[in-house]
Amino acid sequence: EDKVVQSPLSLVVHEGDTVTLNCSYEVTNFRSLLWYKQEKKAPTFLFMLTSSGIEKKSGRLSSILDKKELFSILNITATQTGDSAIYLCAVGGGATNKLIFGTGTLLAVQP
Amino acid sequence: GAGVSQSPSNKVTEKGKDVELRCDPISGHTALYWYRQSLGQGLEFLIYFQGNSAPDKSGLPSDRFSAERTGGSVSTLTIQRTQQEDSAVYLCASSLELAVSYEQYFGPGTRLTVT
Repeated sequence: EDKVVQSPLSLVVHEGDTVTLNCSYEVTNFRSLLWYKQEKKAPTFLFMLTSSGIEKKSGRLSSILDKKELFSILNITATQTGDSAIYLCAVGGGATNKLIFGTGTLLAVQP
Repeated sequence: GAGVSQSPSNKVTEKGKDVELRCDPISGHTALYWYRQSLGQGLEFLIYFQGNSAPDKSGLPSDRFSAERTGGSVSTLTIQRTQQEDSAVYLCASSLELAVSYEQYFGPGTRLTVT
């Protein structure tokens, strides 16, 4: 059965800390891995990764994929209270354009 | 439109009643998805529409759930005889037709509460 597992389930840090969120997967016919940030209701897109070893960066956020070991990490440096959210990892596989989501990591950044 | 829109934003209904949730995707996006997110859970795939193809209904939890997409645009998710376990946030997303792009754009969701 296809699955996506995220860890930790929740994390509390202080402003300025660096955090690493993990996503491992077992999905047939892997096509891509996506990270989303969910603050209120609608998840907002962060990154899409398709190739191993190529880091994607956006400001203080970066992500990398390891297709051999079947995982990805999302790094956030110099965290701010506005980074507090649920971070969702999703893997697209097969021919049906279906995304399989993990349960997310709840990040709380304290002032 | 500028983004995916959903209505209503919140819905409270009594157990046993039927509800309809609406999704208006981004103009030009031919793929439309419905997900359910229960408290503390990840997004659970419900149903997927791609252009004029038959929808992928493999995620619908029971025959009380159905969805349609009229004219290749607006979609309605219907839950008949609602149960308390149907309480969740129902999210709609759309994406471009090309399968190589899995970037899905989400609407704000409908929070359904069944009392």
